[in-house]
Amino acid sequence: NAGVTQTPKFRILKIGQSMTLQCTQDMNHNYMYWYRQDPGMGLKLIYYSVGAGITDKGEVPNGYNVSRSTTEDFPLRLELAAPSQTSVYFCASRRIDYGYTFGSGTRLTVV
Amino acid sequence: DAKTTQPPSMDCAEGRAANLPCNHSTISGNEYVYWYRQIHSQGPQYIIHGLKNNETNEMASLIITEDRKSSTLILPHATLRDTAVYYCIVRVQGGATNKLIFGTGTLLAVQP
Repeated sequence: NAGVTQTPKFRILKIGQSMTLQCTQDMNHNYMYWYRQDPGMGLKLIYYSVGAGITDKGEVPNGYNVSRSTTEDFPLRLELAAPSQTSVYFCASRRIDYGYTFGSGTRLTVV
Repeated sequence: DAKTTQPPSMDCAEGRAANLPCNHSTISGNEYVYWYRQIHSQGPQYIIHGLKNNETNEMASLIITEDRKSSTLILPHATLRDTAVYYCIVRVQGGATNKLIFGTGTLLAVQP
């Protein structure tokens, strides 16, 4: 099992550009999550999904969108990048009764 | 907001036990205590969780006080590779809406 795979690992965006952060898991987990982590801070939840076709907002959803068309994939979309979105983004998945498995992260810089 | 309080940093000598405290005085009866760690620039890694009994696995031990208002994560023989930020989190088990809420954690520095 590869676990949770995130791509790309690094990206630089210009203000106003758009991009999609990819996340895929091969563990057949129903629950998936997107977090962001600013320097020196803990992780903050952006969006989550309980299964294909179902998504919901977390603590900091503004400026982001998600979709969940399959169990495996949970992409995060930034439509109009802003400097405040400079952060490290982590995707995670889990079974209902166990701990989360996190990806290795995407480091995004908006200039 | 995070429902736990942890010291911002701790040091530990290599080979010694590392004892990381966590206060969760407002924990509810159905909330579990979870511990994760984050090694620099990597995604958080699950360590252990428990409800009210002490728990042990291959990575660590978790000691929860009888009143459940605090807990201690114990790494029995710390190595340099255990240097990381350790997060103590309380949450209800099960259900996607019972989300992990991260605080700022404890930076454990294992010294040679």
